[in-house]
Formats: sequence, C-alpha cells, structure tokens
Amino acid sequence: QVQLQQWGAGLLKPSETLSLTCAVYGGSFSGYYWTWIRQPPGKGLEWIGEINHSGSTNYNPSLKSRVTISVDTSKNQFSLKLTSVAAADTAVYYCARGQGGATDYYYYMDVWGNGTTVTVSS
Amino acid sequence: SSELTQDPAVSVALGQTVTITCQGDSLRSYYASWYQQKPGQAPVLVIYGRNNRPSGIPDRFSGSSPGNTASLTITGALAEDEADYYCTSRDFSGNHQGVFGGGTKLTVL
Repeated sequence: QVQLQQWGAGLLKPSETLSLTCAVYGGSFSGYYWTWIRQPPGKGLEWIGEINHSGSTNYNPSLKSRVTISVDTSKNQFSLKLTSVAAADTAVYYCARGQGGATDYYYYMDVWGNGTTVTVSS
Repeated sequence: SSELTQDPAVSVALGQTVTITCQGDSLRSYYASWYQQKPGQAPVLVIYGRNNRPSGIPDRFSGSSPGNTASLTITGALAEDEADYYCTSRDFSGNHQGVFGGGTKLTVL
C-alpha cells in the first residue's frame, strides 16, 4: 500500500518561499509522475506541476516563474518550492502520484497525501 | 491551454441516479479521471481510464467519455456520496499539463 507523507512550513510572510516535501512509502518511485496540487480555501483544485523519477519537470504556466519541483530518489522524496508567496498562495497543498504521460490516453492521480495547510499572512 | 467545465452544483434524490459532466477539448485526447472530495479530506480517485474503478470504490460509480464530454454516473446515490466531484485530464496542447475542472457540489436530498 503506497502512502505519501508530506510536511513543510504552514505559516509564511509575503515574499517568503514556500517549501514542502513529500515522501513515498511502500512502492516504486519509478514510472510515475509525482505531482503537487493546491486548493485555496473554499475553491477548487489547481494543478501546480509534476516531476518524474529522472527529474523531468512540467509546470502550470501560470506558476512556472515561481515554482521548482525537485526529486531525491535516494530518499524516495520530492519537493515543492514556490517563491515570492502572497496571500493568494494561501491554500491546502497536496502531493499525489500521477499515472499517464503526455503520449498516453489516460491521466490520473491515484494516491494522495493528506495535505498541508499553508497560510501567507503578514 | 484547455479548460474543463463542470456544473457548479447538482442534486439527486436518495437512491436515484445522477450524472455529473465535464466538458473540454482535451477530453478528445485523454480520458477524464474523477475524484470525490469530502469536507476536510483529500480527494479520492473514483474513476480513471475508459471506466475503471480503483479497489474499494463501489460499483455504483461509473464513467463514460464520448467526444469532448466525460460523465460520472452514480447509480442509486447514497447519503455518503454527497461531496465535491472533480474531473481532470492533461491539456491536449502545449506542455500537456494537468488540468482540473472547477468541481461539482453534489447534494443528496
């Protein structure tokens, strides 16, 4: 049973950098798209970006200038950094395991972390 | 980039059948996947691929994807099915990023 455990700072000031990490337990790290998603309070889900085991990344164009997703295969972990945060970045951030690449005909996220609430406030 | 459009809210009488739809050009290239989210919880995958259910998802949940519209059908809705439902796929153009629909709030009456 694959499980994702995520952690990181929950309270930031404007202009600081958000940093979250997600550890993968109980399954292979290869062959999947390790993904970050966020959900502002009372709103829908927003796809932030993904990374595969070899370090190839893909970002939401609306966040691309501020986002970096990295991977540490030795620890089966992947991380999210979002720079210059503002109040609009306040959200619950989820990590998830994605399946299905650009050339596949399917795409889904079958395992999710529990979420980390990040609040940006001065 | 493409968008996925969902009705904001849908209601169904207890025990009846309800269909939630998701529309977007990317669905001509990718099957939609569907997620159920209850308050304060992480989303849970309920349908993926052509019409596949992960282990533990009841068979009252089913999906279809003709053309640019995907549908999630709940046959015999239970009170526990009241939740927000989101569809997702990859963008059919550009960098093929993931995209989510805006979500549908399902109320079971």
